[in-house]
Amino acid sequence: QKEVEQNSGPLSVPEGAIASLNCTYSDRVSQSFFWYRQYSGKSPELIMSIYSNGDKEDGRFTAQLNKASQYVSLLIRDSQPSDSATYLCLINAGGTSYGKLTFGQGTILTVHP
Amino acid sequence: EAGVVQSPRYKIIEKKQPVAFWCNPISGHNTLYWYLQNLGQGPELLIRYENEEAVDDSQLPKDRFSAERLKGVDSTLKIQPAELGDSAVYLCASSSGQGYNEQFFGPGTRLTVL
Repeated sequence: QKEVEQNSGPLSVPEGAIASLNCTYSDRVSQSFFWYRQYSGKSPELIMSIYSNGDKEDGRFTAQLNKASQYVSLLIRDSQPSDSATYLCLINAGGTSYGKLTFGQGTILTVHP
Repeated sequence: EAGVVQSPRYKIIEKKQPVAFWCNPISGHNTLYWYLQNLGQGPELLIRYENEEAVDDSQLPKDRFSAERLKGVDSTLKIQPAELGDSAVYLCASSSGQGYNEQFFGPGTRLTVL
């Protein structure tokens, strides 16, 4: 089992729909969770971070964390064509501040007009 | 606030040649990371610094890769000698504190080894 796995893509949604991106992880002692967006040929941009169970909202983005089930998800409401990109989750595993940092392989999202 | 600066942006070299990448983190960020990203994959951590100290270099191929962060600010990643399989994007990121803090990435250096 991979340490961090994202739902296989590509994911295609119509403009205005909700896009749901998921990430599961294997280390139960993971501490911090991040979602990044990466446009083709560019570097990753931070969307949001989440550290506690539950939902965290920022504009059209909502991160959801469930440590018991070992998954973190990102919902994008009212998806726009400009949201078309690769979405990466990053997990800081282990029980210390120097825990292992692992990215998922990424999910390609396409929002079509 | 200026972002993470990397240079060069692109580098093409012959195999067995040495190559170096430079990174200047966001001002005040004491944690610096080097990642390698292959096409279609997520970034993979090579080394993490807290100030001058490399606190995690477990994924750095030490037979050919080396890194330094003198004075706890700028950092240099070196490959000597380069191999064909080293062709990738090398990303530098920084964050403001230990452990959990959010990382901000530079534009990356795209390395092509011929």
